Amino acid sequence: SQQGEEDPQALSIQEGENATMNCSYKTSINNLQWYRQNSGRGLVHLILIRSNEREKHSGRLRVTLDTSKKSSSLLITASRAADTASYFCATYPNMRFGAGTRLTVKP
Amino acid sequence: DGGITQSPKYLFRKEGQNVTLSCEQNLNHDAMYWYRQDPGQGLRLIYYSQIVNDFQKGDIAEGYSVSREKKESFPLTVTSAQKNPTAFYLCASSMGKLTDTQYFGPGTRLTVL
Repeated sequence: SQQGEEDPQALSIQEGENATMNCSYKTSINNLQWYRQNSGRGLVHLILIRSNEREKHSGRLRVTLDTSKKSSSLLITASRAADTASYFCATYPNMRFGAGTRLTVKP
Repeated sequence: DGGITQSPKYLFRKEGQNVTLSCEQNLNHDAMYWYRQDPGQGLRLIYYSQIVNDFQKGDIAEGYSVSREKKESFPLTVTSAQKNPTAFYLCASSMGKLTDTQYFGPGTRLTVL
């Protein structure tokens, strides 16, 4: 079974708007991490949230974790065209990635 | 510059041939990983190694082999036994624990003709 499933699969917004992506997983975790991937490139680590944390911030990013619902969300505020990419969540230690959310930010 | 490199960026091979993908890191990381990514999908773990001369199978190890003779290097061989080898292959490294942040290379796109 696939863990770390994101929704929506694709999201298109205007520059300046906020973007919210969700991730669900199936088994217990030590931490959950969000990554960004530009087309045809490697992944860039964005943020890590541990199983005993509920919310974390980094710049324009806000991540929440609800272990009772086995879900996480990534919020990007005041989006920019440069935020256009695919975003993946991954659960650890089992290193399971979701299929990702493809975000398009229109200028 | 510290980082993780993969070569080549694009690789073409004929069906039935083995091919080896290179992954090198100078981050002094103990752990290294190989993932496969198919179009529109997430990453799936092929193999990982937490220490030199030791490695473990991931979720989709069949048809692949690895070696870890040096801390800096973790080459992946895609054998002729791999039924659908055409994919984007990503290498990553981390400090050592399986819960640590992973740092990814730029990837190798393998096309088998």
